[in-house]
Amino acid sequence: KAGVTQTPRYLIKTRGQQVTLSCSPISGHRSVSWYQQTPGQGLQFLFEYFSETQRNKGNFPGRFSGRQFSNSRSEMNVSTLELGDSALYLCASRVRGTGAPDEQFFGPGTRLTVL
Amino acid sequence: LAKTTQPISMDSYEGQEVNITCSHNNIATNDYITWYQQFPSQGPRFIIQGYKTKVTNEVASLFIPADRKSSTLSLPRVSLSDTAVYYCLVGEIYNQGGKLIFGQGTELSVKP
Repeated sequence: KAGVTQTPRYLIKTRGQQVTLSCSPISGHRSVSWYQQTPGQGLQFLFEYFSETQRNKGNFPGRFSGRQFSNSRSEMNVSTLELGDSALYLCASRVRGTGAPDEQFFGPGTRLTVL
Repeated sequence: LAKTTQPISMDSYEGQEVNITCSHNNIATNDYITWYQQFPSQGPRFIIQGYKTKVTNEVASLFIPADRKSSTLSLPRVSLSDTAVYYCLVGEIYNQGGKLIFGQGTELSVKP
């Protein structure tokens, strides 16, 4: 079974631009979460989507948004990019959004550099 | 979500057993304990999860004392490829769903 895929893997943007990152979960997984990882702040939760609905949201400004499609694929968008948005953006999927605890499967991430 | 405290770094040698202890004094009744491993420039990978006593799988063991205020991840006979950052997470994963709260992690360095 294919793992979580994220595109693109690397991205360079300039301040003020916007960016869209894509995540394809493992087949059959319905929940997709997004995380930002930086050397200073570590791994931080952005938001989670389940059945096209945002279920959880981290403490990030409104410039960070996301959505999930009916096939569970998800995108996250960052508008008006700032230098501090440079980070590794990770997507994770899991089988279900409710019920017993289940592990999250992470993708390789998208490395975003803002110049 | 309970806060976790774990050593920032640890060193070991190939073939040794490594034990990484995580403190979570404010763990709640519904909280589970989960460990993830992360290699540089990769996403974290689930290692093991438990609620109480001992859990073992093909890569690690997780020891949880009766009061559940701490937990120990045990990696038997480590190799160079086990060099990574190990995260201890505590939370009501059942309801919190995808919202994993990562701490600073423990950077394990395995030397030959």
